[in-house]
Amino acid sequence: EAGVAQSPRYKIIEKRQSVAFWCNPISGHATLYWYQQILGQGPKLLIQFQNNGVVDDSQLPKDRFSAERLKGVDSTLKIQPAKLEDSAVYLCASSPRTTGELFFGEGSRLTVL
Amino acid sequence: AQSVSQHNHHVILSEAASLELGCNYSYGGTVNLFWYVQYPGQHLQLLLKYFSGDPLVKGIKGFEAEFIKSKFSFNLRKPSVQWSDTAEYFCAVKTDGSGNTGKLIFGQGTTLQVKP
Repeated sequence: EAGVAQSPRYKIIEKRQSVAFWCNPISGHATLYWYQQILGQGPKLLIQFQNNGVVDDSQLPKDRFSAERLKGVDSTLKIQPAKLEDSAVYLCASSPRTTGELFFGEGSRLTVL
Repeated sequence: AQSVSQHNHHVILSEAASLELGCNYSYGGTVNLFWYVQYPGQHLQLLLKYFSGDPLVKGIKGFEAEFIKSKFSFNLRKPSVQWSDTAEYFCAVKTDGSGNTGKLIFGQGTTLQVKP
């Protein structure tokens, strides 16, 4: 079974620039999550989709972060404009309806200079 | 607000030593409990999970965890660690318990270093 795919794996940008991350979940998984993991901390939920609807985006900094899930499958997370404190690994995860277990991708590491 | 607390940030053990990593959560409702592991350079992987039933759950690679509801705890244990267990360990709690729509909250993680 193919896992959760994310790209790019690494991205370095200057502050105030924009960046986008892409995620392709495991086929058939209805729920998709984006987490932010800052070095030395646990992952923090940014947004959760159920199919193509948003379930929870309470911790998404909406002035600069946006996310969408196209047709309930792939998802993109965008940051515009980026700040230094956005340097982190952005993790995408998906979950099947029945088990509740999350399957994680390898993450996209963002460095903002 | 719901939170998950892991007691140790960094643990160093020698091979064959026993391991116990503490995890406490604050949430009064139904929870599902997880331990995830992240080996160096790899993605987060599920070690074990508790949804209901026997509070002592067994996971992969000889790990087990015990859910003590009265203490809001879900501690991870392994009787004898190996060098290959060197990794970062995350406790996570899914609140609401309503099937697949609950929020998964992570602790801050514990880095385990096992010396050969």
